[in-house]
Amino acid sequence: QSALTQPASVSESPGQSITISCTGTSSDVGGHNSVSWYQQTPGKAPKLTIYDVNKRPSGVSDRFSGSKSGNTASLTISGLQAEDEADYYCCSYAGGNIFYVFGTGTKVTVL
Amino acid sequence: QVQLQESGPGLVKPSETLSLTCAFSGGSISSYYWTWIRQPPGKGLEWIGYIYYSGTTNYNPTLKSRVTISLDSSKLQFSLKLSSVTAADTAVYYCASNPGASFNSWGQGTLVTVSS
Repeated sequence: QSALTQPASVSESPGQSITISCTGTSSDVGGHNSVSWYQQTPGKAPKLTIYDVNKRPSGVSDRFSGSKSGNTASLTISGLQAEDEADYYCCSYAGGNIFYVFGTGTKVTVL
Repeated sequence: QVQLQESGPGLVKPSETLSLTCAFSGGSISSYYWTWIRQPPGKGLEWIGYIYYSGTTNYNPTLKSRVTISLDSSKLQFSLKLSSVTAADTAVYYCASNPGASFNSWGQGTLVTVSS
């Protein structure tokens, strides 16, 4: 099972919006509404940011939103802030004997 | 919110067995899957496997022949054993809990280096 494909990096100015894509297959992203997104800052554990494609855990800013179309999921961060600078990873349930597959990760830089 | 804390040796020799323990609190043992995830330095995340309170386990097929995850309900901890390690197993190892298909609580992570 290959990792889900994400862009290596995304950069944007404060206040703008960015969208990070996460492309898989019909066996993972496309076959289940179980895509989650994690924010990771240097030296820290990942933090759940979006689950079940578009749900936000308590305490996560509503500037973060998720969606899915076919085999591609997306994370959108609106009103970009300096504190959003981090690595972001998607993850999908894949069922079968694979269970979970992570994305390759995207480094978000706030210019 | 579940709290988790990994512990174990930070250095393991090649061909030996890596052993880590994760102590947890703040959640019902039967409400979560208890999971191990790793991250090689500078690289992405890799799901290793999980154990459910019933004892059911599932492992990443790429590691399945070398991985064992066990649960000690009385001590509120679960463990990871990875045998026949090589330098490629050098990583930060995280324990996590997931009530469903997302990992909502993580330990701080522990770096394990495989080197002689």
